[in-house]
Amino acid sequence: GAVVSQHPSWVICKSGTSVKIECRSLDFQATTMFWYRQFPKQSLMLMATSNEGSKATYEQGVEKDKFLINHASLTLSTLTVTSAHPEDSSFYICSARNLRQKITNTEAFFGQGTRLTVV
Amino acid sequence: DQQVKQNSPSLSVQEGRISILNCDYTNSMFDYFLWYKKYPAEGPTFLISISSIKDKNEDGRFTVFLNKSAKHLSLHIVPSQPGDSAVYFCAAIGSGNTGKLIFGQGTTLQVKP
Repeated sequence: GAVVSQHPSWVICKSGTSVKIECRSLDFQATTMFWYRQFPKQSLMLMATSNEGSKATYEQGVEKDKFLINHASLTLSTLTVTSAHPEDSSFYICSARNLRQKITNTEAFFGQGTRLTVV
Repeated sequence: DQQVKQNSPSLSVQEGRISILNCDYTNSMFDYFLWYKKYPAEGPTFLISISSIKDKNEDGRFTVFLNKSAKHLSLHIVPSQPGDSAVYFCAAIGSGNTGKLIFGQGTTLQVKP
């Protein structure tokens, strides 16, 4: 399957600082990237959908000014957690798809995830 | 509003036996259903999918059954192996080309040697 690389795999930051997480599609063009958040023993909750070259669409309840998403190219999307607080500590996962291709296989390709701990 | 539900948080089976993971959904407009396997601190990996127009899809040890009238699907793993121990997520894709996946809460499968 296609490869999606997410970096860093884990990060610890101080409260009040910002953290950037990168998601790269290595062998295909990702027209659309999705950012998920997973709390311990809970489901993956979709935070936002980003399409290359346009503004991200945020799910209800997700603060767009706190979770800045940039999808400047077909291979890179970034999620920046601004002014991080301990309650932002979570596992963040990106997913990439090329929606210009006919959907013959509906699998989405996921990054390895980033464990964010805010202290 | 949980559109995709996995009501069993955990399941334990003996190696070699069948594992059956269940998933229920509420939105009849979902086009595809997928199962993902996830290890701790890793991203999900795709296992198998099924279109809403089918009732069964099989891939090796994994078979997914879809009962549209009951809005229920299940993943069967047979024979189960210790390496299958992981969290399994059921996910659904809605109509339209958004690619947005809606996940269930996950079921932790433990396969005992």
